[in-house]
Amino acid sequence: KAGVTQTPRYLIKTRGQQVTLSCSPISGHRSVSWYQQTPGQGLQFLFEYFSETQRNKGNFPGRFSGRQFSNSRSEMNVSTLELGDSALYLCASSLASFSGNTIYFGEGSWLTVV
Amino acid sequence: GDSVTQMEGPVTLSEEAFLTINCTYTATGYPSLFWYVQYPGEGLQLLLKATKADDKGSNKGFEATYRKETTSFHLEKGSVQVSDSAVYFCALTQGGSEKLVFGKGTKLTVNP
Repeated sequence: KAGVTQTPRYLIKTRGQQVTLSCSPISGHRSVSWYQQTPGQGLQFLFEYFSETQRNKGNFPGRFSGRQFSNSRSEMNVSTLELGDSALYLCASSLASFSGNTIYFGEGSWLTVV
Repeated sequence: GDSVTQMEGPVTLSEEAFLTINCTYTATGYPSLFWYVQYPGEGLQLLLKATKADDKGSNKGFEATYRKETTSFHLEKGSVQVSDSAVYFCALTQGGSEKLVFGKGTKLTVNP
């Protein structure tokens, strides 16, 4: 059974550009969430989606957006990139959206903004 | 809001030593508790979890018990190996959400 797949794994962007990251959850999983990991701030929650609906959103500016498709695949977009957006972006999936559920993570997309 | 506090590292041990990584939480309700591990250059892997008070999660020799009275979920292993070298994160979820609230992580290095 394939795990959570994130693409691209590595990318370099210039300040002011935008970026789209993609996540394919484990087959059958309907819940997808995104996290940003940086050395200074640690792991911070971005969004949570279930059946194409955003259920929860973290404390990030509006430049960060996401969506989920009918096949549960998800994308996140960051517009007008800033140097501080350089981070590892992690996607996670699970069968359903409730506390205590087992949540599986992908290997992440490493974004460098120069 | 909900929060997780874990001992800051780095922690350096010799092979076969006993490991404890402390984790305490603050939450308004009855959270589920998790330990995740991150190896260099990789994503997070679930190590173990507990969903109610007094539950003990265990996996690969690691254990943690959900202590509601002390709001703690300390990670322990009786005999660490070099391959256990990684960063360990304590986390919680609560309510009808899967939003994970993480601690800052503890880097463990095990020397042969």
